[in-house]
Amino acid sequence: GDSVTQMEGPVTLSEEAFLTINCTYTATGYPSLFWYVQYPGEGLQLLLKATKADDKGSNKGFEATYRKETTSFHLEKGSVQVSDSAVYFCALIGSGYSTLTFGKGTMLLVSP
Amino acid sequence: NAGVTQTPKFQVLKTGQSMTLQCAQDMNHNSMYWYRQDPGMGLRLIYYSASEGTTDKGEVPNGYNVSRLNKREFSLRLESAAPSQTSVYFCASSPVGRRNTGELFFGEGSRLTVL
Repeated sequence: GDSVTQMEGPVTLSEEAFLTINCTYTATGYPSLFWYVQYPGEGLQLLLKATKADDKGSNKGFEATYRKETTSFHLEKGSVQVSDSAVYFCALIGSGYSTLTFGKGTMLLVSP
Repeated sequence: NAGVTQTPKFQVLKTGQSMTLQCAQDMNHNSMYWYRQDPGMGLRLIYYSASEGTTDKGEVPNGYNVSRLNKREFSLRLESAAPSQTSVYFCASSPVGRRNTGELFFGEGSRLTVL
């Protein structure tokens, strides 16, 4: 079945550092890929998505590129802020009607 | 805008007690979902309802039942709570058309502790 593997956290960075959170997936066909973010005490919210190979999703300074050849969808940001501290979830959905498959989440802690 | 509203936000139960988590969405979405979130496990799907009148099991349905009361409301019931059901529960909804786009809107969560 479908699966998503994320790097384990926590990832600890200083403000203005460069961020990469790795995500790889296993799926049949051509899934759509997502990053969701969960701020402390809140539910998840969609951060960005990509629906086909080589698509780049972007939002709030975050980017991720759908790489079919490496089955990856790594999240990047050039300069993190304290307010980016949260848990980030990579997810995919397969073709037809199916449900989201989430990775286990990666906690990001940004210090001033 | 209310979005997805879950009640209660916190609940403590004793083993064997029953309870229902309520969820309502005001976005006219077709699909609704219940997830549980546990440390180191990410989010796991318990049950979902692709449209009003239908419900399906997810990855971890044992010990739970659901009711899609109408298009707005989707409840999750624990008939006989167990300590293994201690978790944070999230309800979500999605404006699914012919295909699930994967864009879910989540509630703020319900923290359940079973003693």
